[in-house]
Amino acid sequence: AQSVTQPDIHITVSEGASLELRCNYSYGATPYLFWYVQSPGQGLQLLLKYFSGDTLVQGIKGFEAEFKRSQSSFNLRKPSVHWSDAAEYFCAVRLGGGYNKLIFGAGTRLAVHP
Amino acid sequence: GAVVSQHPSWVICKSGTSVKIECRSLDFQATTMFWYRQFPKQSLMLMATSNEGSKATYEQGVEKDKFLINHASLTLSTLTVTSAHPEDSSFYICSAKKLAGANNEQFFGPGTRLTVL
Repeated sequence: AQSVTQPDIHITVSEGASLELRCNYSYGATPYLFWYVQSPGQGLQLLLKYFSGDTLVQGIKGFEAEFKRSQSSFNLRKPSVHWSDAAEYFCAVRLGGGYNKLIFGAGTRLAVHP
Repeated sequence: GAVVSQHPSWVICKSGTSVKIECRSLDFQATTMFWYRQFPKQSLMLMATSNEGSKATYEQGVEKDKFLINHASLTLSTLTVTSAHPEDSSFYICSAKKLAGANNEQFFGPGTRLTVL
């Protein structure tokens, strides 16, 4: 069955430090992969997505993610974290074949220390 | 842009009453809208997929008579929680897919927090 795993429930980093949020997926075909960010009490904002092509994708707010097929991973990175990046981050995989269902990971809550 | 709104943003109701939540695509037409439920500190779980003019497709374990979905136009879908009980308290989020283009991307609304007393 398709699934998305985010191994880290909580991560705390210092402002200015680098960040990597892990995401592993289980899906038989080539996945469509997404990272979303959710601020408290808010909906989801798309950070970036991977459909095909270059495995390193750039997103908004200085985020990037790298698709590694051999590791079934799609980790999110940012070289220098800002206090405003504190939020919940969700990795998701969309089933292919014209079916639009998104499967979300459990999320990683990011705290940023000043 | 691709803006999705939800109304209300929060609602408190008594047990046994019904609550309607609206999801609107403000600047695009949406053939498909999705309804998710999010419990505190948990992920989003898809409840149902709503296609304009047809019956919604519910995920396994979701009671269709409990969560009534209507997608009457290309810009509006509604979720009605019937005879709500405290265990229905949750954060409900909708998303919408454009009629064409955008690689089937889903655009999310800001969510509606439902509290049932």
